[in-house]
Formats: sequence, structure tokens, C-alpha cells
Amino acid sequence: SSELTQDPAVSVALGQTVRITCQGDSLRSYYASWYQQKPGQAPVLVIYGKNNRPSGIPDRFSGSSSGYTASLTITGAQAEDEADYYCNSRDSGGNHVVFGGGTKLTVL
Amino acid sequence: QVQLQQWGAGLLKPSETLSLTCAVYGGSFSGYYWSWIRQPPGKGLEWIGEINHSGSTSYNPSLKSRVTISVDTSKNQFSLKLSSVTAADTAVYYCARGKGGSGSYRGVYYYYYYMDVWGKGTTFTVSS
Repeated sequence: SSELTQDPAVSVALGQTVRITCQGDSLRSYYASWYQQKPGQAPVLVIYGKNNRPSGIPDRFSGSSSGYTASLTITGAQAEDEADYYCNSRDSGGNHVVFGGGTKLTVL
Repeated sequence: QVQLQQWGAGLLKPSETLSLTCAVYGGSFSGYYWSWIRQPPGKGLEWIGEINHSGSTSYNPSLKSRVTISVDTSKNQFSLKLSSVTAADTAVYYCARGKGGSGSYRGVYYYYYYMDVWGKGTTFTVSS
């Protein structure tokens, strides 16, 4: 399969920790990358590779993987973290790019 | 700092061809994948296709018959054409820079891919 599966919605209380997951066959061999998208804006890369953050991304964002599942963890979620989050990788054959369906994160 | 600037007409009629161009400023064109992604209103991201600096392309199988991505390395630009558009093609279209590679960790090989620079997006509406 070349699909990546995410939960449609997740909520977290302000200051608590939340994990957003992504499942797919390609994640057995590819590290997922993660993107944050706020309304009306382009996606922003927040995690790539094993657990790397681009410059300017707070260290409360971290990534991990196990088997067919990749996870994005936000430790101490802030109000500004409320957004849609997408995972991404190439497919198992490496020929195409795939995105997860996205997870809407609500910070309560 | 690398920036992507994209442009193209925003309103199309059914059966017309969507055309978009993305210019790369402030960075190298080689060594990367250059992708087009779209997002229908209220929906998720859909990868359309990519090209590298040498002109090798890969397309989403669901759109392959209608998509052409080309590159002009002399101008550091790449372009998207999507033919025979319908209302289902109404979306925000993004260009993005992708980077992939491989490595090993504790004897296990792995691959990575990510898109680190994105254009601001162009809204295309298909309406008769």
C-alpha cells in the first residue's frame, strides 16, 4: 500500500503532551516527515528524518517511529500549536510521494 | 534563504488546461526534487508530481494521464500543466522543494524524504 493513515482529529489540554500518529507500509523503511498547516497558510515542515527539527521549530516538537507507525509528539502543547498536521514520505518503492490525510489538533 | 515564488491564472473553465510556474530564488536547483501539491477546499494535501534538475519526472498515478511537469534550469523554474480540468481540480496549488536520502543506524538501512521549502500557494477555481 502507498497510503499513510492518520486520525482525523486529536485534542489536548493546554500544556499537556499529545501524540499524533501516522501508519503505512512505507514507514517500515522511510522516516516520516511532519508538517504543520494553519488556516490560509502553506504547510511548514516541523520534523524530518529520525527526529530533526528545522531552524525555528520549538523543541517541544519531536518525532519517533516504530515498525509501520510514525509519531509526532508535542510536549507542553501551546495555543499556537492548534493546526492541521500531515505526515509524508515516499511510497515503499520510492517512486511516488504520499501524504497522510491530516490530523486536526485542538488545544483546549 | 531559498524562496519559491509561484504564479498562474486563477480561474478556468472545464476542459481547459491549468498552468503554473514556480521560480526558485536563493538556492541551488540541483540535488532536489521539485514538487507540485494541491489541496481542495477543506481537504488534505495531495501530491501531484515532481521533477528533478535533470528533468526526470514522477507523477501521482491518479493524475498521470493529465499532468506534465517541466523544468527550465536556465531560469531556475519548474512548471505544471494539468489538462482537461473539472470542478474536482479546484484547489490551492503549492510548489515545494523536496529532499531525499538514505543512511544506516545500528546496521539498519533507512530512507528519508521531506519538503522543506514551500510556495505560498495559488488558488485555482474551475467554473463554467
